[in-house]
Amino acid sequence: NAGVTQTPKFRVLKTGQSMTLLCAQDMNHEYMYWYRQDPGMGLRLIHYSVGEGTTAKGEVPDGYNVSRLKKQNFLLGLESAAPSQTSVYFCASRTAGQGTTNEKLFFGSGTQLSVL
Amino acid sequence: AQSVSQHNHHVILSEAASLELGCNYSYGGTVNLFWYVQYPGQHLQLLLKYFSGDPLVKGIKGFEAEFIKSKFSFNLRKPSVQWSDTAEYFCAVAAYSSASKIIFGSGTRLSIRP
Repeated sequence: NAGVTQTPKFRVLKTGQSMTLLCAQDMNHEYMYWYRQDPGMGLRLIHYSVGEGTTAKGEVPDGYNVSRLKKQNFLLGLESAAPSQTSVYFCASRTAGQGTTNEKLFFGSGTQLSVL
Repeated sequence: AQSVSQHNHHVILSEAASLELGCNYSYGGTVNLFWYVQYPGQHLQLLLKYFSGDPLVKGIKGFEAEFIKSKFSFNLRKPSVQWSDTAEYFCAVAAYSSASKIIFGSGTRLSIRP
């Protein structure tokens, strides 16, 4: 099993360019998440999804859009990149349910994005 | 909405010292609580989690955490740290009523002097 796979691993954009980050999981997880990690700020939730065809806003959704057309994929889009979006982006997934022993997040290896 | 505070941004200890990292959350209802660790160059791994029952939770690598509901706290402890514990530690909370939304704290960087 590959687990959670993020592509690309690195990307440099110019201000105003657009791009899509792909997250794919092969564990049949219902829930998927996009976080950004910045020094001193920990992980901040951008958007998340509780199932195919559903998405919800997290703590810092502005400037990002997401789609979950297939259960195994969760896409994060930047329509017009800004330098403030320079960050490391992590995707994560987990099974549904509350208080179960399986309730832990499986993380991808991250995407380092620089916006110049 | 739930939130998490980690007041220690950077902790420096010598090997064999005892460790306690603070985590406070704000949410009025039932919560699930987590500690994750991120070793240099790696992604986050789950250390331990609290759902219900015994408020003292034991995790991997000798770590434990105590949930104190009256203080809205979930502090991480280890009696004797090792150099290999050098990492960044994140506390996270999920409101039980909305368990899909998991919010992380800002993290505490732990440096261990050999």
